[in-house]
Amino acid sequence: DADVTQTPRNRITKTGKRIMLECSQTKGHDRMYWYRQDPGLGLRLIYYSFDVKDINKGEISDGYSVSRQAQAKFSLSLESAIPNQTALYFCATAAREQADTQYFGPGTRLTVL
Amino acid sequence: GEDVEQSLFLSVREGDSSVINCTYTDSSSTYLYWYKQEPGAGLQLLTYIFSNMDMKQDQRLTVLLNKKDKHLSLRIADTQTGDSAIYFCAEKNRGSTLGRLYFGRGTQLTVWP
Repeated sequence: DADVTQTPRNRITKTGKRIMLECSQTKGHDRMYWYRQDPGLGLRLIYYSFDVKDINKGEISDGYSVSRQAQAKFSLSLESAIPNQTALYFCATAAREQADTQYFGPGTRLTVL
Repeated sequence: GEDVEQSLFLSVREGDSSVINCTYTDSSSTYLYWYKQEPGAGLQLLTYIFSNMDMKQDQRLTVLLNKKDKHLSLRIADTQTGDSAIYFCAEKNRGSTLGRLYFGRGTQLTVWP
């Protein structure tokens, strides 16, 4: 079984809809991250979290929100999706004891029409 | 802010060596990482190097770090078609909160048979 899972893997939605992307991990890591990937732009950090009480904004948090429901779960919400949020979204986890090496989920491809 | 730069494309013939280069600006970098992304997949950690090292070898992979020039490279010996992927350089520095990594835009490696 995969250590970092993301659901759904693919989603097509319409402008204005609320969308939630979910991430779960079995690695026991305390740190979790959400990134988006756009062609030619690499990875950009949306939000990151140290534990359930700690949430931090990344470079591009506008239009997104997150919830750390448990150490193993970190969800990303788009309250009112817009077309320029069409992208590939990745969740990652890390543990400080492992040189902060980040382990990535398989990604969610989101299309906003 | 932190800046990590990579060239966007590299093409090599099967059996040749590939060298993917990366430069970074933050002199307080503590760890530097190489990730591989195959089509339709998440990022997979290939290797990382601590900033007090100048070389690390792992089978066909050799990482060279020139801390003075802030230059990192990944050499893949005997490149195979299965090595075709996007390769991301990332760095963590002493100022990084919660293990935040800074990624380059990725280098698309194409291996020709």
